[in-house]
Amino acid sequence: DQQVKQNSPSLSVQEGRISILNCDYTNSMFDYFLWYKKYPAEGPTFLISISSIKDKNEDGRFTVFLNKSAKHLSLHIVPSQPGDSAVYFCAAIPNRDDKIIFGKGTRLHILP
Amino acid sequence: EPEVTQTPSHQVTQMGQEVILRCVPISNHLYFYWYRQILGQKVEFLVSFYNNEISEKSEIFDDQFSVERPDGSNFTLKIRSTKLEDSAMYFCASSEGARANYGYTFGSGTRLTVV
Repeated sequence: DQQVKQNSPSLSVQEGRISILNCDYTNSMFDYFLWYKKYPAEGPTFLISISSIKDKNEDGRFTVFLNKSAKHLSLHIVPSQPGDSAVYFCAAIPNRDDKIIFGKGTRLHILP
Repeated sequence: EPEVTQTPSHQVTQMGQEVILRCVPISNHLYFYWYRQILGQKVEFLVSFYNNEISEKSEIFDDQFSVERPDGSNFTLKIRSTKLEDSAMYFCASSEGARANYGYTFGSGTRLTVV
């Protein structure tokens, strides 16, 4: 049962360009969404979150957009840097819950 | 920056043996979690722990699994009789508050290989 879906297993983007990672969800009861970044041999690292009552949250080069009617969110990284090459997990927290439900991840390659 | 520390980084065990995975959460955090990631699959919630008791557990967390905070600093996950399908990366996480809205801090994981 995939409540959080990341349909692109990988994405390659030129350094300096915008990286857009997409995520879809099925559960209307999610009230927070998060993005995590993971390097090999390390645990997931929290990047940015957004409440379900907002449609945009920005933190430096990272912006998350939420479209509730489409049950879709995206992470924009501008400009993309070599250190951004990692696996990015979209995740969600159900209402009144404290567990995180993760997507399968998208591997981002930043090309020189 | 404060870290969640997990040991060992890699554990190989025979099927049917007991394993204990250890975690030292961030010292002022009150909520503790275990997640796992089977190779090629998504990160899955196992259990959350607060005030010395389990607050929530998933279907994966059956009677073979248990958690403990034995001494106020360590947080352990025990698998009583390991199966081949328990092979995975196990991540410990901790957070200050009850909701993970601002993201937990994860450890680097323990790779468990059951042979």
